[in-house]
Amino acid sequence: AQKVTQAQTEISVVEKEDVTLDCVYETRDTTYYLFWYKQPPSGELVFLIRRNSFDEQNEISGRYSWNFQKSTSSFNFTITASQVVDSAVYFCALRSNTGKLIFGQGTTLQVKP
Amino acid sequence: NAGVTQTPKFQVLKTGQSMTLQCAQDMNHEYMSWYRQDPGMGLRLIHYSVGAGITDQGEVPNGYNVSRSTTEDFPLRLLSAAPSQTSVYFCASRDGGTGTLGTEAFFGQGTRLTVV
Repeated sequence: AQKVTQAQTEISVVEKEDVTLDCVYETRDTTYYLFWYKQPPSGELVFLIRRNSFDEQNEISGRYSWNFQKSTSSFNFTITASQVVDSAVYFCALRSNTGKLIFGQGTTLQVKP
Repeated sequence: NAGVTQTPKFQVLKTGQSMTLQCAQDMNHEYMSWYRQDPGMGLRLIHYSVGAGITDQGEVPNGYNVSRSTTEDFPLRLLSAAPSQTSVYFCASRDGGTGTLGTEAFFGQGTRLTVV
């Protein structure tokens, strides 16, 4: 069975703090993709990153970084020096060879000024 | 480049009414899908299609029908609306068929549906 767990329902930080959003996944497939999406208050879903199961290199994009560890089935997302504009719901998702995209429950991040 | 277009953005239905949520994409993507988003449950897959003429059920298909007569369009039909179908609905498309090949999913703006 495919499953994605985001155990943190809500996180609140003060601006400029670093914050890590956790994502743990389950799959028996050896080939799969992992994704992060951002849903700002306006409601649309914004693609942030895709990582395939054969690439465990960490990724950094500006203030965003992702840590993929197959040994712990985790794909965590860190925002450095958070800003109010980072306030959103963040979803982790898994796509394996069924082709279906399975989402976690989402983590609501509130960044206070 | 419009991407994925969903209509309407908001809809209120009475219990028992039927309606169709429209979804169109202009990226020539093979794979299209419908999700519903409910608080605390993430996005759950309702139906999906790997190409014109081919559809299949997702995680929560009951109460919904789909068809895929063209590559561009993937409408979602509610046959007899129930309050439990109050949700935000997202349509998505991506390149590639089944399997892990293909791009990330591109999502429409969402339809907020309320059934009273």
